[in-house]
Amino acid sequence: SYELTQPPSVSVSPGQTASITCSGDKLGDKYACWYQQKPGQSPVLVIYQDRKRPSGIPERFSGSNSGNTATLTISGTQAMDEADYYCQAWDSGTVVFGGGTKLTVL
Amino acid sequence: QVQLQESGPGLVKPSQTLSLTCTVSGGSISSGSYYWSWIRQPAGKGLEWIGRVYTSGNTNYKPSLKSRLTMSVDTSKNQFSLKLRSVTAADTAVFYCAREDSSGYAFDIWGQGTMVTVSS
Repeated sequence: SYELTQPPSVSVSPGQTASITCSGDKLGDKYACWYQQKPGQSPVLVIYQDRKRPSGIPERFSGSNSGNTATLTISGTQAMDEADYYCQAWDSGTVVFGGGTKLTVL
Repeated sequence: QVQLQESGPGLVKPSQTLSLTCTVSGGSISSGSYYWSWIRQPAGKGLEWIGRVYTSGNTNYKPSLKSRLTMSVDTSKNQFSLKLRSVTAADTAVFYCAREDSSGYAFDIWGQGTMVTVSS
């Protein structure tokens, strides 16, 4: 079965750029998307179709996807961005999530 | 705007069937190019896609859960449902229903989630 791999944790200082990676076999041939989940809340879509932002998502969130790796980049990271982030892709009609990355802003 | 709300028992006994319903409000479940999915999350763990149902009634299930799953849709009630049979403690989780945008390949709307505990 298809797997997506994320680092368990990433740390970033306020105002700096955070990058969270998601790896999977030929992931660049699929669409990747990203969700933000804060404690006790439902996930929120922040990036879809590799690099598109839904309405209401700040411009500091951006995405890319090439080869075997998709990347979520948060520019000018703010304290409010501290959360768990999950990548997701489709494979053979089913949905696969990455294991999640805890982003700490310190 | 469209909202989703899960409902169902919060406690299920081992070996029994877990049944949940998701009610769609603010729009018709039949409008647009959307699929309707269930996703679960054990406490402190990641997201796991369970399966989806189309408004046609067709379904796609996660292969490892397929033998225990039934999903259905009731367009007249603007609802879709999940049944998971022969549950064990490993099925304890927060269950989310979500709308899947077929063109965006992503879940753009999520319910608030409902906690289901499997215990005697």
